[in-house]
Amino acid sequence: QKEVEQDPGPLSVPEGAIVSLNCTYSNSAFQYFMWYRQYSRKGPELLMYTYSSGNKEDGRFTAQVDKSSKYISLFIRDSQPSDSATYLCAMTLSGSARQLTFGSGTQLTVLP
Amino acid sequence: EAGVAQSPRYKIIEKRQSVAFWCNPISGHATLYWYQQILGQGPKLLIQFQNNGVVDDSQLPKDRFSAERLKGVDSTLKIQPAKLEDSAVYLCASSLATSGSGNEQFFGPGTRLTVL
Repeated sequence: QKEVEQDPGPLSVPEGAIVSLNCTYSNSAFQYFMWYRQYSRKGPELLMYTYSSGNKEDGRFTAQVDKSSKYISLFIRDSQPSDSATYLCAMTLSGSARQLTFGSGTQLTVLP
Repeated sequence: EAGVAQSPRYKIIEKRQSVAFWCNPISGHATLYWYQQILGQGPKLLIQFQNNGVVDDSQLPKDRFSAERLKGVDSTLKIQPAKLEDSAVYLCASSLATSGSGNEQFFGPGTRLTVL
């Protein structure tokens, strides 16, 4: 079993739709949770960063962490064609060596 | 602020040949990471440097992979000899620190390696 599981998709939605992306994980020691966006032939870029359980909102993006269920989500409201990319969840343990453990990524296409 | 620079962007080699990748992190970033991203998978950490010292190389296949970060700035990753399964994108990332608020990792565009 992988430490982090993520539905690979692909996911295709019409412009303006609400998108829900999810990851589950097995290691209860993970404390920091991130979502990265990766455009084709580019490196990942950090979208959202949350510590422990709870919600965090940034514009059209909302990240949720439920540590009791070992489940994290990213919601995208009013999705745009420019949101078309691969979304990677990542998480780390607390401590000084912040090795990221990534999910396999979900490929999202927002159709105009 | 200039981002993480990597070169070359693309490389095609035959199996058993050697190859080297170069990374220049964001100025002032003490921590540097090399990741391997196989098609359809998330990045996997190969090695992490703090300045010019190795913090974690537990997932680096040391029989064929080597990396160095002389002077604590630029870094090179080498594969010798390459195998077919080494075909992947090699990503370099850097962060200001390994703990606290400066932990965010900034990624370069990657080097896409194809081994024939």
